[in-house]
Amino acid sequence: QSVLTQPPSVSGAPGQRVTISCTGSNSNIGVGYDVHWYQQVPGTAPRLLIYTNINRPSGVPDRFSGSKSGASASLAITGLQAEDEADYYCQSYDNRLSGSVFGTGTKVTVL
Amino acid sequence: EVQLVESGGGLVQPGGSLRLSCAASGFTVSSDYMTWVRQAPGKGLEWVSVFYSGGNTYYAGSVKGRFTLSRDNSKNTVDLQMNSLRAEDTAVYYCARCSPTCYYQCMDVWGQGTTVTVSS
Repeated sequence: QSVLTQPPSVSGAPGQRVTISCTGSNSNIGVGYDVHWYQQVPGTAPRLLIYTNINRPSGVPDRFSGSKSGASASLAITGLQAEDEADYYCQSYDNRLSGSVFGTGTKVTVL
Repeated sequence: EVQLVESGGGLVQPGGSLRLSCAASGFTVSSDYMTWVRQAPGKGLEWVSVFYSGGNTYYAGSVKGRFTLSRDNSKNTVDLQMNSLRAEDTAVYYCARCSPTCYYQCMDVWGQGTTVTVSS
């Protein structure tokens, strides 16, 4: 059962900007644990997209950016491209569960 | 090249057991944190367990007492022994490395996944 809440889906036309929210609580994001984001194309393994709230691993386009405020975090995709169509998950640590927690997942559709 | 390869998935009856293995190359599993994440058909990602480099292990409540992690440093593998399997354990199981870049809280290398199906 996910403890981080994301919108089920977002969509946008090519070139547009979309954002995905990730809402946690006072046992995870709200007490300062970092947020990380993953992209998953159906049928493949997840790929680390953003780590420690705002950082991009080598090879991730700068169209992807992350932010965090309070008990929430956001992933923004600017200049949306067809190849960005995938599922996106946020992830953090939960001290009540003593382990990692993932968001509910958001499907991004490029119109 | 840094790589993870899982094996051991398959079809098992409810109540049965299965052992998954995760073989690493390009890095040493004993020096990093290693984690297992699963994804039920059509569902999201669910954290299952983590093996800290110091030897401590932690499990999600849904598998605690039924799943056990082990590590073979000579083979550079991390195994997940799954007992008393239930239909709800049916999923693709991914092995992943927790990166020191994010204080071992994020997963930067993933295997391709191995499918576990629990059904009679």
